[in-house]
Amino acid sequence: ENVLTQSPAIMSASLGEKVTMSCRASSSVNYMYWYQQKSDASPKLWIYYTSNLAPGVPARFSGSGSGNSYSLTISSMEGEDAATYYCQQFTSSPFTFGSGTKLEIK
Amino acid sequence: EIQLQQSGPELVKPGASVKVSCKASGYSFTDYNMYWVKQSHGKSLEWIGYIDPYNGGTSYNQKFKGKATLTVDKSSSTAFMHLNSLTSEDSAVYYCARLLLRYFDYWGQGTTLTVSS
Repeated sequence: ENVLTQSPAIMSASLGEKVTMSCRASSSVNYMYWYQQKSDASPKLWIYYTSNLAPGVPARFSGSGSGNSYSLTISSMEGEDAATYYCQQFTSSPFTFGSGTKLEIK
Repeated sequence: EIQLQQSGPELVKPGASVKVSCKASGYSFTDYNMYWVKQSHGKSLEWIGYIDPYNGGTSYNQKFKGKATLTVDKSSSTAFMHLNSLTSEDSAVYYCARLLLRYFDYWGQGTTLTVSS
């Protein structure tokens, strides 16, 4: 099983601050996918094929990476960005998710 | 508008079984595989398995083989997940999600399962 390790587990950022979170895979993957989940809501597709923003996702978000190491970046934190972000790989079965990074407002 | 509407919360006793439904609308049901995902309270997401609504073909995460059975009813565009021999470890929120290429573009609202005597 390809284990995805997200770091940090919890982080807080001030409004306007740049935010970067990491996802490391135990085995190399072709692409990484990111989902945003807010409390008591379903996950939402956020970034697909490593760096493509899902429809409606603000341009302050970006994704990058390759091989075993991927990241999601917010150029300038806004209040609506507070949520938990999960990475997910679809390269090898089982199609695992990371443990999530919970992003809070400082 | 594409929607995946799941059945309501369930409270069941240990040892019992439950069937969760996911009714799709707004797209051609048989054109996309349907996945099921488990989220235990406060925890991450686990892929349970998927079904191809066109031919009923299934694939399961080894962890959930024998626990979950996936079926569909094409006439009503509904996917089902049957969970058997329930224990407290099965208490979680269960989601159905549509797969587009290699990502989940639409999710159901989730069904909360509580296993308790």
